[in-house]
Amino acid sequence: NAGVTQTPKFRVLKTGQSMTLLCAQDMNHEYMYWYRQDPGMGLRLIHYSVGEGTTAKGEVPDGYNVSRLKKQNFLLGLESAAPSQTSVYFCASSGTGATEAFFGQGTRLTVV
Amino acid sequence: AQKITQTQPGMFVQEKEAVTLDCTYDTSDPSYGLFWYKQPSSGEMIFLIYQGSYDQQNATEGRYSLNFQKARKSANLVISASQLGDSAMYFCAMREAYSSASKIIFGSGTRLSIRP
Repeated sequence: NAGVTQTPKFRVLKTGQSMTLLCAQDMNHEYMYWYRQDPGMGLRLIHYSVGEGTTAKGEVPDGYNVSRLKKQNFLLGLESAAPSQTSVYFCASSGTGATEAFFGQGTRLTVV
Repeated sequence: AQKITQTQPGMFVQEKEAVTLDCTYDTSDPSYGLFWYKQPSSGEMIFLIYQGSYDQQNATEGRYSLNFQKARKSANLVISASQLGDSAMYFCAMREAYSSASKIIFGSGTRLSIRP
């Protein structure tokens, strides 16, 4: 059972470069989320989606864009990476109602 | 507004003792869910336990139980008979069923260290 899969697992970017993180889930979940986790801190919500074709801003959306063209995929884009975006990024998905989120394994991104 | 607060940045506990990790929350939504996740040093997020706002009984999952006090808006995690493998970061999270488009938000976490 794959669950939630994030690609890539590790990446190093130079300041100003762009990249896209891919999240794929095979549980037919409506909701998908992107979080970032900085050292010693909790998870902060970047963007989320309540269904195919929808996206919404979370707590820390600046510098990121997202798209959900297919229900199973949720893409996180960095148009011009900055060192402040060095972090571990987690994707998660959940069903409807007050149900728990299932997480991917995380992507460690370093911007130099 | 939806908010989760964990006031214990770190805790040390002797092996085999019980430990309580604190979590308070704030919401105006009458229907919500509360969750606890464990994050070991390997980094993955492991779901531990869930409590619904309308559940009459406190949730239990093996050695984990959730001390849910609705009037106080607290959802503390209790780990009985702690083990060395329980050393990890623990996050409390909340999801409103109706408002805020079902965002799931997290507290800042508690780092639990179990002493042998």
